[in-house]
Amino acid sequence: SQQGEEDPQALSIQEGENATMNCSYKTSINNLQWYRQNSGRGLVHLILIRSNEREKHSGRLRVTLDTSKKSSSLLITASRAADTASYFCATDTGRRALTFGSGTRLQVQP
Amino acid sequence: DVKVTQSSRYLVKRTGEKVFLECVQDMDHENMFWYRQDPGLGLRLIYFSYDVKMKEKGDIPEGYSVSREKKERFSLILESASTNQTSMYLCASSSSGGEGTDTQYFGPGTRLTVL
Repeated sequence: SQQGEEDPQALSIQEGENATMNCSYKTSINNLQWYRQNSGRGLVHLILIRSNEREKHSGRLRVTLDTSKKSSSLLITASRAADTASYFCATDTGRRALTFGSGTRLQVQP
Repeated sequence: DVKVTQSSRYLVKRTGEKVFLECVQDMDHENMFWYRQDPGLGLRLIYFSYDVKMKEKGDIPEGYSVSREKKERFSLILESASTNQTSMYLCASSSSGGEGTDTQYFGPGTRLTVL
């Protein structure tokens, strides 16, 4: 079974709106990371949040982490058509490798 | 910038063939990974390596093997390709961070079709 599960599976919004994606996981973590994948391409790292952090910002991205609920959210503010991609959360549970969720497909309509 | 390259973007092979997927990174990273990606299943870890000649099974190692003879190169081998191994294969590398598993850098992927 997947360690990380993203919600929703798909999201369609208009340009300028905010997009929120959620990730839930099952076991304790060292850190949680978010990645982006454009169609048919490799993944690109967006942001890493450690287990002792609650919130982190990077440009238009805001990530929160609630270890008591074993969940994280990724907020993209003022979305653009170029943000159209799949977004994955990945958890570090201490086994030297990340475990990825199944992803959220984001479509931003111009 | 970190660069991770994969030998082919698209590959078509026949059932029973031996298939080699090559991955090279240029940032002297200790760790290298092979994933497969299928619709609705996300990325699933096949094998990873944290040092030359070292390998660890991931979540779905059956039907695959790996080789890491040099630090920069990590090969995925399908000993006898089967149609259920048709998938997108992604290679990644990372350094051994001080605290936990560090950022992974991905190659562009190889879309393998087994007929």
